[in-house]
Amino acid sequence: ETGVTQSPTHLIKTRGQQVTLRCSSQSGHNTVSWYQQALGQGPQFIFQYYREEENGRGNFPPRFSGLQFPNYSSELNVNALELDDSALYLCASSLGLAANYEQYFGPGTRLTVT
Amino acid sequence: GQQLNQSPQSMFIQEGEDVSMNCTSSSIFNTWLWYKQDPGEGPVLLIALYKAGELTSNGRLTAQFGITRKDSFLNISASIPSDVGIYFCAGSASTNAGKSTFGDGTTLTVKP
Repeated sequence: ETGVTQSPTHLIKTRGQQVTLRCSSQSGHNTVSWYQQALGQGPQFIFQYYREEENGRGNFPPRFSGLQFPNYSSELNVNALELDDSALYLCASSLGLAANYEQYFGPGTRLTVT
Repeated sequence: GQQLNQSPQSMFIQEGEDVSMNCTSSSIFNTWLWYKQDPGEGPVLLIALYKAGELTSNGRLTAQFGITRKDSFLNISASIPSDVGIYFCAGSASTNAGKSTFGDGTTLTVKP
């Protein structure tokens, strides 16, 4: 139990629809990173938020967007869903940006696009 | 972009055996991390390495940060059934572990 929660647990959407995934960080953590994990692969970095500002982005198109709120909870929004967006979406929170600040992952949201 | 090659892809071992897995990168990393992921859960950090040549242990786990900064290995000694899972290496080129590049994992099966 890491103290990081994600909702919903599972989600099924149709191609072309939009989806919002939510993450509640561990208490006191001001940094959240989002990852996409396709079946049989390692997590891929989508973007990171630090104190409500985007702080770096991986190789994902603009239809992947995010928000971080004053209480440091976070959302991942994906527009115009494609079949390849089917994956486990993980968020991870940490105390800050330094390398020695451990990331704590949530259990993920399993998104299926049909 | 940065890529991590993690090997082996899977391992089937007998309880009590030692295990070794490794990661190589096409780029230099300043931080190497090893995670374990169980079904239905997010990855859990096992060991973090911050300096080239560093050798760090966590119980039966030992990991090393290669001196070229392009590779790392993880050893598990005297494996037990609860070691079953998927092990991921991850590297970060910056001082920000939240922007890590992950390998594709080593699936470990331990036969009692």
